[in-house]
Amino acid sequence: DTEVTQTPKHLVMGMTNKKSLKCEQHMGHRAMYWYKQKAKKPPELMFVYSYEKLSINESVPSRFSPECPNSSLLNLHLHALQPEDSALYLCASSQEGLAGSTDTQYFGPGTRLTVL
Amino acid sequence: KNQVEQSPQSLIILEGKNCTLQCNYTVSPFSNLRWYKQDTGRGPVSLTIMTFSENTKSNGRYTATLDADTKQSSLHITASQLSDSASYICVVSAMINTGFQKLVFGTGTRLLVSP
Repeated sequence: DTEVTQTPKHLVMGMTNKKSLKCEQHMGHRAMYWYKQKAKKPPELMFVYSYEKLSINESVPSRFSPECPNSSLLNLHLHALQPEDSALYLCASSQEGLAGSTDTQYFGPGTRLTVL
Repeated sequence: KNQVEQSPQSLIILEGKNCTLQCNYTVSPFSNLRWYKQDTGRGPVSLTIMTFSENTKSNGRYTATLDADTKQSSLHITASQLSDSASYICVVSAMINTGFQKLVFGTGTRLLVSP
C-alpha cells in the first residue's frame, strides 16, 4: 500500500471557524509533511514531522497548528484563517526524510480549502 | 538562494510525439533531484529520483538525465499519450543544517497532449 489519504477532499470555512485536516499513511514512514499549494504554483513546505516530533516549521502563522498523534496520522488544525489561506493543502510521507536519503515523498490527493 | 527553474512554462504536443522538459537549479548542498507529475487538483506523483552520481534514470516512457556539473536536468517523454497531460515538476533536495532534507520545487511545465 503506497497510499497517503487525506480528508476531507474539500472544505469551506468562515474566518471564525475551527476545522482540522487529516492525513493518514500505513507505509511505516516516519517522516510526514504538510505543504500548501496555490493555483499554478509549486507546493510550499509548511511543516515536517520526523518520528512524531516537529522537525521543521517554515515560519508558518500560528493560525495553522500541526499535530502528529502517532506515526501514521498527521493533522493540521485551522483557526481564524484568512481568505488568502485558500489553497490546496497536501500531505506527504517518506521513509525518514533525513539528509542524504533518496526516499521518495508520497503525496496525498490534497484538501481543497476555501476560506470565506 | 536555492532555486529551481523550469522551461518551457507550457507545452502543447500531438499525441505520439516526443518532448523534452528542462530544469536548471542552484541548490546547495545538493542531495538529489526528482521529477514529479501532478494532475490538476491532485498530489504530485514521483517519476524518477537521481543522486549526484547518476546521469540517467528511466521509468517506462519517462527518461530523466542529470548533469551535476552544469546543474541541469531534463525529462524526456517518449510516444506521448493523452494521459501525459499534466504539470511536470522538477524538485531538488537540499541538505539543511537540522539533518533533514528540504525539497525545493520548480514552477513546473504544463504539458498538454493533443489528439
